[in-house]
Amino acid sequence: GNSVTQMEGPVTLSEEAFLTINCTYTATGYPSLFWYVQYPGEGLQLLLKATKADDKGSNKGFEATYRKETTSFHLEKGSVQVSDSAVYFCALSATRGDTGRRALTFGSGTRLQVQP
Amino acid sequence: DTGVSQNPRHKITKRGQNVTFRCDPISEHNRLYWYRQTLGQGPEFLTYFQNEAQLEKSRLLSDRFSAERPKGSFSTLEIQRTEQGDSAMYLCASSPSRTGVGNNEQFFGPGTRLTVL
Repeated sequence: GNSVTQMEGPVTLSEEAFLTINCTYTATGYPSLFWYVQYPGEGLQLLLKATKADDKGSNKGFEATYRKETTSFHLEKGSVQVSDSAVYFCALSATRGDTGRRALTFGSGTRLQVQP
Repeated sequence: DTGVSQNPRHKITKRGQNVTFRCDPISEHNRLYWYRQTLGQGPEFLTYFQNEAQLEKSRLLSDRFSAERPKGSFSTLEIQRTEQGDSAMYLCASSPSRTGVGNNEQFFGPGTRLTVL
């Protein structure tokens, strides 16, 4: 079956530090990969996505590259801000066909705390 | 606001009672999903609709759970005879009907937090 493994948190960084949150996956077929972010008291928001091998998703200074050879989709940001404090979820979708399976499979989330 | 909306935002109930949650997807989206999220975990898939047809159900969706999407617009999730283990955040998401691999970007609502006493 499909699964996503994320590094455990919390990850605590000082402002302007470099961020990496590791994500690896197992899936049948060729999944699409996503990072979602959940700010305190808010719903899940899509941060970025990649749909095929070697694609790089990017948004708001965050980046992640779809590495098929290592089955990974690590999230990176060069300089974090206090406002980036949130829980980050890696997810995959192993969609098949137009009416096939469309469920997202999520990791357990990694809490990021950025201190001023 | 044109995002996914869910009501109520919070529900406290006693064990054995029935509860119903509502989800209104983004208006042009024909796909709708329900997930459950417990503390410290990622969301877990429950069920998926395309228009009014329920196309997929997770093994997590026991026979006490039922979901409907009449007319392919809003959806309801009912839990009968609630148990303490049902306490969780219930999330709804929707996605547009674009076809093809990779077009499964889902937009989430704020969730309904259920507490079963």
